[in-house]
Amino acid sequence: GNSVTQMEGPVTLSEEAFLTINCTYTATGYPSLFWYVQYPGEGLQLLLKATKADDKGSNKGFEATYRKETTSFHLEKGSVQVSDSAVYFCALSDPFPSGSARQLTFGSGTQLTVLP
Amino acid sequence: DTAVSQTPKYLVTQMGNDKSIKCEQNLGHDTMYWYKQDSKKFLKIMFSYNNKELIINETVPNRFSPKSPDKAHLNLHINSLELGDSAVYFCASSQGVGNTEAFFGQGTRLTVV
Repeated sequence: GNSVTQMEGPVTLSEEAFLTINCTYTATGYPSLFWYVQYPGEGLQLLLKATKADDKGSNKGFEATYRKETTSFHLEKGSVQVSDSAVYFCALSDPFPSGSARQLTFGSGTQLTVLP
Repeated sequence: DTAVSQTPKYLVTQMGNDKSIKCEQNLGHDTMYWYKQDSKKFLKIMFSYNNKELIINETVPNRFSPKSPDKAHLNLHINSLELGDSAVYFCASSQGVGNTEAFFGQGTRLTVV
């Protein structure tokens, strides 16, 4: 079946540090890939996405590139801020869903804390 | 203008009770979901519901039942609540065609005492 493996946290960085959160996936076919962010006490929000190989998703200074050859979708940001403190989830969209329903398979989440 | 809204946000109840969580989306999506998030933040799909087709995660106990009165609503009913049901439950929706993202509600924190 489909699976997503994420770098385990927690990750603690100082403000303006470089961030990488690793994500690799297993899927049959060509899934779409996503990064979601969950701020404390809130629901998940889509951060960025990529729908085919070599696509780069970007938003709010975060980037991730869909690498089919390494089945990876690592999240990066050049300079993190305190406000980036949250839980980050890598996810894939089932390329062969049952019926027409599409469901997301999530990684285990990575807690990021950015210190001032 | 909330896209996916859940009620209540917090729910504290005793073991053995029956409770419901309501979810509504105003995005015109045709697919809705329920996810369970445990204390370690792990997210697990419970149900997806599209055009009256219900897909159940086989690991979900049959005490949990989704009910969809129409395309914009997917409520979650839980019978005979157990301590292990304590978690945050998220409703989400998406447009069923193509690999599109899901939009999530704010979550319902259920505590069973």
